[in-house]
Amino acid sequence: GAVVSQHPSWVICKSGTSVKIECRSLDFQATTMFWYRQFPKQSLMLMATSNEGSKATYEQGVEKDKFLINHASLTLSTLTVTSAHPEDSSFYICSARIGLTYNEQFFGPGTRLTVL
Amino acid sequence: AQSVTQPDIHITVSEGASLELRCNYSYGATPYLFWYVQSPGQGLQLLLKYFSGDTLVQGIKGFEAEFKRSQSSFNLRKPSVHWSDAAEYFCAVGPLMEYGNKLVFGAGTILRVKS
Repeated sequence: GAVVSQHPSWVICKSGTSVKIECRSLDFQATTMFWYRQFPKQSLMLMATSNEGSKATYEQGVEKDKFLINHASLTLSTLTVTSAHPEDSSFYICSARIGLTYNEQFFGPGTRLTVL
Repeated sequence: AQSVTQPDIHITVSEGASLELRCNYSYGATPYLFWYVQSPGQGLQLLLKYFSGDTLVQGIKGFEAEFKRSQSSFNLRKPSVHWSDAAEYFCAVGPLMEYGNKLVFGAGTILRVKS
């Protein structure tokens, strides 16, 4: 099946620094990629939707200047958490979609971000 | 706004016993319904989905789910649980395109299997 990877799988950084998380579709081209955030014992919350070559669409309440999303190619999307603070500590999951149907959305393994 | 409720945060069953994980949604129309499974350190894997038609849906790994419109439920079942089924299970709802075409997830249910 289609595989989505994320790198790094976990990262620890100091408050005020920026962290970049990569999401790659390894064996397919993804027209759309999604970024989710998951707090312990809570739902996956959609942060933004990105289409290759265009600006990401952010969900209400998500700061676009803080969470920069770039989808420069059909196989790579990046999420940069700028000037990270402890409240940004979370589990970030990306998913990639080939077409328009839901059964073609594949999820990455997630990235655990801890901001000290 | 649409929401998805998984009432059970944790469930523990004995290996070989039957399993039912509950999922209820709040949405005006009949949405698309999904169950995903997530093992530690791995991505979400689609177990099954319901779009329309037969309300009893068969999925992978021996799982099935039944859509009940009157109860706004989409419960996941398995007749005999294996130790390898221990994981976290997410119910998700996908509304129609005019509502943003996005998946909304429940909080998840952690399944523990005891031998």
